[in-house]
Amino acid sequence: EVQLVQSGAEVKKPGESLRISCKGSGYSFTSYWISWVRQMPGKGLEWMGRIDPSDSYTNYSPSFQGHVTISADKSISTAYLQWSSLKASDTAMYYCARQVVRGVILGSWFDPWGQGTLVTVSS
Amino acid sequence: EIVLTQSPATLSLSPGERATLSCGASQSVSSSYLAWYQQKPGLAPRLLIYDASSRATGIPDRFSGSGSGTDFTLTISRLEPEDFAVYYCQQYGSSPWTFGQGTKVEIK
Repeated sequence: EVQLVQSGAEVKKPGESLRISCKGSGYSFTSYWISWVRQMPGKGLEWMGRIDPSDSYTNYSPSFQGHVTISADKSISTAYLQWSSLKASDTAMYYCARQVVRGVILGSWFDPWGQGTLVTVSS
Repeated sequence: EIVLTQSPATLSLSPGERATLSCGASQSVSSSYLAWYQQKPGLAPRLLIYDASSRATGIPDRFSGSGSGTDFTLTISRLEPEDFAVYYCQQYGSSPWTFGQGTKVEIK
């Protein structure tokens, strides 16, 4: 069974750093991209960026470029999303999702999704 | 950036009725690179449709997608109790990939 399992909920203070994870299983981790998607409380879905685990090439939505870093460790089939300095406005549910690779720049759908990691930033 | 606008925001229907959800794009979505997802409270989204009209694995045939260019539709032929949820469209033809704001299908 193809699965993405994310790390647990986090409660942090503004200014702190954080890295959350997404571990893939049941498939060849380097044959698919991983994207990260944000869902703020009661709101819709926002694509943040993606990584190709085979070479760690990334591209980001302009809305998130410079605010987060996406990385991957293919030896343990795990992708990461990290912040160097959290803000209260980063409070949200974060999902990772797998993508079929269709070419260097062509996108594709998200399937499956991880269960989500709730990040709460509060002083 | 392609902006996706979903309508209506809320659809109130009874089980057994037909649901028609719309997704309009601010510019043409290349190669009909559009997907639909279902999200229930407290759960991650689930892929229903990709490439505008291809049903994902395990998705019942009461779900169908259509459209091209700037106008896309998700149809649920006969609503089952488990279909009441929020539905999102998403385009992946042009980066940044974007989602619509969602349509909530609620029980009337």
